[in-house]
Amino acid sequence: ETGVTQTPRHLVMGMTNKKSLKCEQHLGHNAMYWYKQSAKKPLELMFVYSLEERVENNSVPSRFSPECPNSSHLFLHLHTLQPEDSALYLCASSQRTSADTQYFGPGTRLTVL
Amino acid sequence: SQQGEEDPQALSIQEGENATMNCSYKTSINNLQWYRQNSGRGLVHLILIRSNEREKHSGRLRVTLDTSKKSSSLLITASRAADTASYFCATDAYDKIIFGKGTRLHILP
Repeated sequence: ETGVTQTPRHLVMGMTNKKSLKCEQHLGHNAMYWYKQSAKKPLELMFVYSLEERVENNSVPSRFSPECPNSSHLFLHLHTLQPEDSALYLCASSQRTSADTQYFGPGTRLTVL
Repeated sequence: SQQGEEDPQALSIQEGENATMNCSYKTSINNLQWYRQNSGRGLVHLILIRSNEREKHSGRLRVTLDTSKKSSSLLITASRAADTASYFCATDAYDKIIFGKGTRLHILP
């Protein structure tokens, strides 16, 4: 888990709130990812950034808005979420592409009331 | 469709026994990786095996890959309580990595 940090670790928000998840990697990697992990479902890739450019968006609802200001930082802005968005949100980074070994942060446990 | 699927979904064994998990996939791959996840935490990379390799070891871990059967196995020898976690295989296809649903391993004292 070292090398990739995520804040906050836990977040409870109402459906009308706006919040942001933050991820930072200290590994000098060029690619960063947001995943959603819900109970009894495979890990869902949400967004991929390579050299700060979004290269993949797997049909994620617009209430999730990513931002990658530089290669070390990645944000996930949340607004008007639904209860079914409650999940563990994981950030990861890799050297170059998503086929390389990925290093994960500890995740943010999100609960939407 | 799901690329990698682990089997079994859940496994409970006594401490000290060996644990074997399997992963099957559908398309040709360049490599296959195994990850571990402790409850509510991020995934940790365990081992990567390339498509031209058949077996790889790392400490108490042994991974095999059979590309003709499109399957891989992860063996954990002499299991410990700390091995309790979920284990995921991840296959790379079309330059992207796809995770399976995982095997939940529980080591009984």
